Amino acid sequence: DTEVTQTPKHLVMGMTNKKSLKCEQHMGHRAMYWYKQKAKKPPELMFVYSYEKLSINESVPSRFSPECPNSSLLNLHLHALQPEDSALYLCASSRGTNQETQYFGPGTRLLVL
Amino acid sequence: DAKTTQPPSMDCAEGRAANLPCNHSTISGNEYVYWYRQIHSQGPQYIIHGLKNNETNEMASLIITEDRKSSTLILPHATLRDTAVYYCIVRVGTDSWGKLQFGAGTQVVVTP
Repeated sequence: DTEVTQTPKHLVMGMTNKKSLKCEQHMGHRAMYWYKQKAKKPPELMFVYSYEKLSINESVPSRFSPECPNSSLLNLHLHALQPEDSALYLCASSRGTNQETQYFGPGTRLLVL
Repeated sequence: DAKTTQPPSMDCAEGRAANLPCNHSTISGNEYVYWYRQIHSQGPQYIIHGLKNNETNEMASLIITEDRKSSTLILPHATLRDTAVYYCIVRVGTDSWGKLQFGAGTQVVVTP
């Protein structure tokens, strides 16, 4: 089983809203990732969690706040977003060993009005 | 950081082999080459990866040149469902999680 699930599939929010994206995997992976993908562009790494600790923050604005409550779950809390933050948000996970294969979820398509 | 260069687009006839080239001339000795594909509006799908030797799995074959400066992904019998953006990626860094740096990719269109 190489499934990563993401909820919701679609999200529309206003600039003053607070919302959260959820990602879950049950493969026993110890590394989890958030990527952002704008239309017609490749995915860009935002955050990496390794063993439930934040390992990489790619200079992401503080209006994006990641959280890893346990090794299976990854959240992305959103607050005071801008319309330019509208994108496909992808979650991925990997075993956390040297031979890395990241498995991606289907993504959450976010529209900020 | 090692970077990759791919043609922006390719057409392929259904049932024929699709050969997707990738140049990674600055790759380091311990960096793997990964291939992913992304069907429209879906999450990227892992295809195959390799270090030095050629690799084959149920989806594709990966041919890496001896100097490791380029590689070719081969889809042996392309189907319409193989229409996607194909990304050739070099895994950056030696940390256990390994950062994937996506390039622009190749848009492959398989036609009947």
